[in-house]
Amino acid sequence: QKEVEQDPGPLSVPEGAIVSLNCTYSNSAFQYFMWYRQYSRKGPELLMYTYSSGNKEDGRFTAQVDKSSKYISLFIRDSQPSDSATYLCAMSVQRTYKYIFGTGTRLKVLA
Amino acid sequence: AAGVIQSPRHLIKEKRETATLKCYPIPRHDTVYWYQQGPGQDPQFLISFYEKMQSDKGSIPDRFSAQQFSDYHSELNMSSLELGDSALYFCASSHGTGGYNEQFFGPGTRLTVL
Repeated sequence: QKEVEQDPGPLSVPEGAIVSLNCTYSNSAFQYFMWYRQYSRKGPELLMYTYSSGNKEDGRFTAQVDKSSKYISLFIRDSQPSDSATYLCAMSVQRTYKYIFGTGTRLKVLA
Repeated sequence: AAGVIQSPRHLIKEKRETATLKCYPIPRHDTVYWYQQGPGQDPQFLISFYEKMQSDKGSIPDRFSAQQFSDYHSELNMSSLELGDSALYFCASSHGTGGYNEQFFGPGTRLTVL
């Protein structure tokens, strides 16, 4: 079983919809939780990071962490066609260096 | 703003050949990470270096080696290439140690082994 599980999608939504992306994990030592956006043939680009449980908002994006359930979410409000990409969750244990990624969810926002 | 530079962007090799991938981190970043992303797969951590010393090791085959040089650039050397080594190889860099240090990813090198 992978340490981080993520539904690969694809997920198709109409423009303006609220998108919910999720990851579950098994390693309770994870402390830092990141969401990356990856366009085709490009490197991952950091969208949000959170430390500890709770919500963090940045513009149209909200990241949510529930450590008791080992579950993280990324919400995208007022989704745009330019949001069409693969969204990867990543996690790391404090004071180590490597990220553990989910498989990524392909999102398509239809105009 | 300066980003992580990787070269070459595309590389085609035959089986059993050798390949060298280069990574130039963002200025003043002292940590470099290498990831391998197969088709439709998540990035898998290979190895990382902090201040020119190996800091962590993941699922890197023995056929691969890497190092970080005095100017902080890093090279990933891959020998006896196999078809399964075809993938996108990302380099990321960060500054500092401990706790959270955002990793900035380069555009990747696409390696195709024929």
